[in-house]
Amino acid sequence: NAGVTQTPKFRVLKTGQSMTLLCAQDMNHEYMYWYRQDPGMGLRLIHYSVGEGTTAKGEVPDGYNVSRLKKQNFLLGLESAAPSQTSVYFCASSHTGGMVNEQFFGPGTRLTVL
Amino acid sequence: AQSVTQLDSQVPVFEEAPVELRCNYSSSVSVYLFWYVQYPNQGLQLLLKYLSGSTLVESINGFEAEFNKSQTSFHLRKPSVHISDTAEYFCAVTEGYNFNKFYFGSGTKLNVKP
Repeated sequence: NAGVTQTPKFRVLKTGQSMTLLCAQDMNHEYMYWYRQDPGMGLRLIHYSVGEGTTAKGEVPDGYNVSRLKKQNFLLGLESAAPSQTSVYFCASSHTGGMVNEQFFGPGTRLTVL
Repeated sequence: AQSVTQLDSQVPVFEEAPVELRCNYSSSVSVYLFWYVQYPNQGLQLLLKYLSGSTLVESINGFEAEFNKSQTSFHLRKPSVHISDTAEYFCAVTEGYNFNKFYFGSGTKLNVKP
């Protein structure tokens, strides 16, 4: 099992450019999440999904869009990148079933917006 | 909304010394508590968790944490640290009625010196 994978690992954008970050998981998890990690602020939830075809806003959703067309994939889009979106982005997934389950994390994508 | 406080952003300690990383959360409702570890340039990995039962939980590499409901704390301890424990540690909380959302603390960087 590869677990949770993220593509790309690094990216540099210019202000105003767009890009999509791809997250894939092979654990058949229902829930998937996108976080951003900034120094001294821990992880903040951007968007999450509780199942294929569903998405919901997290703590810091502005400037981002997401899609969950397939259960194993969760895409994070930046339509018009801004320097404030320079961050490390982590995808996570978790199982459900009426229990509290841990989240499994990908290796991260380091994004710089110039 | 839930909030998680990790008061110490950095903790320097010498090898074989004991260490305690502090975590406090805000909500008094039923909570489930986690500690994650992040090694340099990697994603987060689950270290240990408290869901129910004994308030003292242990990890396979010698860490332990104790759930204290009256003090709303979940401090992480290790009696003797190793160089390999150098990493950033994140406390996370999820609430019983909305278990798909995790709230993370800002992280504590543990620096073990020889």
